[in-house]
Amino acid sequence: DTGVSQNPRHKITKRGQNVTFRCDPISEHNRLYWYRQTLGQGPEFLTYFQNEAQLEKSRLLSDRFSAERPKGSFSTLEIQRTEQGDSAMYLCASSPSAAGGLREQYFGPGTRLTVT
Amino acid sequence: DAKTTQPTSMDCAEGRAANLPCNHSTISGNEYVYWYRQIHSQGPQYIIHGLKNNETNEMASLIITEDRKSSTLILPHATLRDTAVYYCIVRVNWGKFQFGAGTQVVVTP
Repeated sequence: DTGVSQNPRHKITKRGQNVTFRCDPISEHNRLYWYRQTLGQGPEFLTYFQNEAQLEKSRLLSDRFSAERPKGSFSTLEIQRTEQGDSAMYLCASSPSAAGGLREQYFGPGTRLTVT
Repeated sequence: DAKTTQPTSMDCAEGRAANLPCNHSTISGNEYVYWYRQIHSQGPQYIIHGLKNNETNEMASLIITEDRKSSTLILPHATLRDTAVYYCIVRVNWGKFQFGAGTQVVVTP
């Protein structure tokens, strides 16, 4: 399978702990996105990378959240000092760039975080 | 990005066409209409997109009105596996998607 992969698929953690999620995009896709989805809502944009450069961050991405994509391939999303409100599905998507930038995004299966 | 309005839910009989409406009355000239769907506990799946012409692919057809203020996604022969939340999104040709709550489509036997 050459789609977007995310690990772990499920994470249960206690409030105050740090967690890190990994996303492996489709090979050669240079754009990578992180979204968060809570129950009954559509995904909400968190941040976006073009290669290793983080080009946009949502106001939802508080200072407890940090994302990296050090070599322009896989990406990690870390949440420090987790809170119960961080419980959500965290989705990663990737897309190639093209002339004009018009390409769809391919989503991974997500990591479901539960903070107890 | 323009805001979209979709019905909260709709039912469709298996084998029949499902017509999913979307209003985007504030769409601007350089914004595209995208449709995604999300089957329970999976990531969103791209369906189709268009600018002003009608589009068709192996999954669906997209009909955009001449004034581009609304569109309809057509699933020609709905199956039980088409049960999902369908999202209509408009955006410029880069960057993030802004998802709304979508339409919950239930295909019944």
